[in-house]
Amino acid sequence: DQQVKQNSPSLSVQEGRISILNCDYTNSMFDYFLWYKKYPAEGPTFLISISSIKDKNEDGRFTVFLNKSAKHLSLHIVPSQPGDSAVYFCAAMGGSNYKLTFGKGTLLTVNP
Amino acid sequence: DVKVTQSSRYLVKRTGEKVFLECVQDMDHENMFWYRQDPGLGLRLIYFSYDVKMKEKGDIPEGYSVSREKKERFSLILESASTNQTSMYLCASSSSGGRSTDTQYFGPGTRLTVL
Repeated sequence: DQQVKQNSPSLSVQEGRISILNCDYTNSMFDYFLWYKKYPAEGPTFLISISSIKDKNEDGRFTVFLNKSAKHLSLHIVPSQPGDSAVYFCAAMGGSNYKLTFGKGTLLTVNP
Repeated sequence: DVKVTQSSRYLVKRTGEKVFLECVQDMDHENMFWYRQDPGLGLRLIYFSYDVKMKEKGDIPEGYSVSREKKERFSLILESASTNQTSMYLCASSSSGGRSTDTQYFGPGTRLTVL
């Protein structure tokens, strides 16, 4: 039972354009959501997070949107740069524990 | 900055060997986690620990055990390595101060190959 789903295994965009990565979840107990970026042969690095009491959080070129009613969140990267090419993981947390549930990831390729 | 280090970046072992993967964090975090990452499967939680000498099973604990004797160190043990344990192993840590501090910080990973 996959509680966090990233339905697009890959995404390709042109440099300078917007990248939109999507994530859906099924567990209503999730109340904190995170995006991680991972380069090959490296550990994931934290990008941005959002609490369920918000619907938007912005940090520089990265914005995360949360639609609780649809159980959907998205990561927007504007403008996209070739260095953004990586696998992006959506993760969620909820209840009284500190466990993260990860999606399977989306490979973003930004073409120069 | 949070620093999570793992004892090896690359490791090659033979089937049946006992394998130790070590993880150290320098931020006095209460929580530590071990994941494995496989293509198409994302990150899957093996074991985690909320405190020294505490451990809890994650989603795929079979074939693994863990040890946490000191707060900063969390070890993953493969009692008898098998080829299906060839994977990238990732350690992470987080604090327990509330949601805004629950972010997990990851080490660089250990690429383990079992022959």
